[in-house]
Amino acid sequence: GAGVSQSPRYKVAKRGQDVALRCDPISGHVSLFWYQQALGQGPEFLTYFQNEAQLDKSGLPSDRFFAERPEGSVSTLKIQRTQQEDSAVYLCASSLEWSNQPQHFGDGTRLSIL
Amino acid sequence: SQKIEQNSEALNIQEGKTATLTCNYTNYSPAYLQWYRQDPGRGPVFLLLIRENEKEKRKERLKVTFDTTLKQSLFHITASQPADSATYLCALQNYGGSQGNLIFGKGTKLSVKP
Repeated sequence: GAGVSQSPRYKVAKRGQDVALRCDPISGHVSLFWYQQALGQGPEFLTYFQNEAQLDKSGLPSDRFFAERPEGSVSTLKIQRTQQEDSAVYLCASSLEWSNQPQHFGDGTRLSIL
Repeated sequence: SQKIEQNSEALNIQEGKTATLTCNYTNYSPAYLQWYRQDPGRGPVFLLLIRENEKEKRKERLKVTFDTTLKQSLFHITASQPADSATYLCALQNYGGSQGNLIFGKGTKLSVKP
């Protein structure tokens, strides 16, 4: 496909379960970003990859959050021992280069923790 | 503290009029500023990027201005249409910040009435 693809679109989990969210960026895009968006708020930065290297993870809210991009294309955001406050939309974006470029977003994964 | 503020949570206008949305920031030195459109249940879609040394940028019915003295960007939609109804997000990348990650405002929800 031409755009950024995220799966699943919706995820419901019980508190304490682990979840994994997948992002397929646009082919050839070097940079990949994860954002968290709460209802009525703008996206907030979580972490950033340039190819397979995770260059910034300063936005990850706790050590329960982990992201990887082992081959420089598909990325996975994993949340361990989920809490209710983790409920949000998780957005993935990719861009051609690391800066000064438009970011192309997927439609997100809506995560609900019961 | 650092802040990005979009001055209206909601803006209602009549079809055919010009919509003007405002984005103000404090304690940032942005290299550039971007505007995105977000529809319900969808990811943000890139509209325009303006660099710190540019005063104005246009694309079809859209116009963005960037005043680094006032620390403000204005986003205009001329001859607005009901299809322009959406949430509009401004985002900036700060000098010295993470390479490429964007800092978003909360957004302004625009409703264009026929």
